[in-house]
Parts: sequence; C-alpha cells; structure tokens
Amino acid sequence: GESVGLHLPTLSVQEGDNSIINCAYSNSASDYFIWYKQESGKGPQFIIDIRSNMDKRQGQRVTVLLNKTVKHLSLQIAATQPGDSAVYFCAENIGDDKIIFGKGTRLHILP
Amino acid sequence: DTGVSQDPRHKITKRGQNVTFRCDPISEHNRLYWYRQTLGQGPEFLTYFQNEAQLEKSRLLSDRFSAERPKGSFSTLEIQRTEQGDSAMYLCASSFDRGEKLFFGSGTQLSVL
Repeated sequence: GESVGLHLPTLSVQEGDNSIINCAYSNSASDYFIWYKQESGKGPQFIIDIRSNMDKRQGQRVTVLLNKTVKHLSLQIAATQPGDSAVYFCAENIGDDKIIFGKGTRLHILP
Repeated sequence: DTGVSQDPRHKITKRGQNVTFRCDPISEHNRLYWYRQTLGQGPEFLTYFQNEAQLEKSRLLSDRFSAERPKGSFSTLEIQRTEQGDSAMYLCASSFDRGEKLFFGSGTQLSVL
C-alpha cells in the first residue's frame, strides 16, 4: 500500500559518532525521496533529496543512500552534533506528485 | 522572510465552532500542500493545489474540511463544526513545481476543547 515506514522509532547516538537512520518504502513507482528534520514546535525542514536514477547523494555532513532493489533508504549524518537532535522523516513521491511521510525516527544525542 | 507563512500559529476553539487557517506559500511556488500531524506521527497528506486548481483530496478530509486557493497564491483551510479529533498541527508546504521538494511553514496548532 501507500506507506513509508522507518525501522526504529528512537535512535541514541554518542556526540561525534555517525548516525544512520533507515527507511523502508513500499511503492515501486516512487521516483523521488526526501529526508526531513523536524524540531519540536516547528515544521519539517528539508535536509537532502535523491531521485530514483541515483543511489547515493551527499550534502554537508549528510549522505542519502537509495537501494531500489530492496526499497530501502538511509540517511547518514557524520560527526553527530547536539543540534542534530530532532525527529527525522523520510518521504516519497509516489508517482502522482503526492509526497507521503513515514512515522519518523527520534534521534537522541548522548553527551 | 521569504519562507512559507502560516497564520495563526495556535488556535484554541470549542467543539462545534468553525475555524479557518491561512497559508502564504513562497511566492514563485505553483504547488501548495496541506498536511495534518498528530503527536508522534508523520505528516498526513490532506490536499494539494497546482496554482488555483485543487488536484486531490485525501479521504481523511471529511466534508467538514474545505480548502481553497482562489488566486493561486495564498490558501485557506476551513474546518466546520470542529470535533476533538481535529486537534492536531496543520502544516502547509509549497514547491516550485511537481516532483520538487516541499518547503514547510511552522504550522497551526489546533486545540479543540
């Protein structure tokens, strides 16, 4: 069905370590994927996106990996900082230009 | 500020009252989306517009909900006869065109007492 899900609801990472947040999607027709960060009381903030003709894309301290074979998406955050604490959502364009979101993973940064 | 703007930020209303929210998208963006988000969940799609045309409404959007984008610029979302289950954050987002990333506003937090 139309769903984007995440494997873990909460992830705790030591400050300075790398974080990996995973996402599974179910719609094979999805051609565009986006990661958003949401802090408390704010709207989702765009982090990075990737189209289905790519399998990796890098930004500043973030990398998104797309595995279309197993319909899996991941967000890697390098050298995690306290300011990275937030809920992270993956979202997909399911082919009719409707962007749908998964449930989110809360990232906790341990001092 | 050239981002997506939503008004009001917070709304408290009594059950049965009507409420209206406004969204001003980024000026050159053609697409405008409304989402609803409850605590601990991801944003749920409600409806979206291409310019002034409403392209799709989610089945979540009962007949008490109506959205408009009369001139292809700002949009309003009205909820009639509010119910306690309508309590949520209502998020607006815009994008330049189809298949582009969405930029979100800060949302309107609705509490129905």
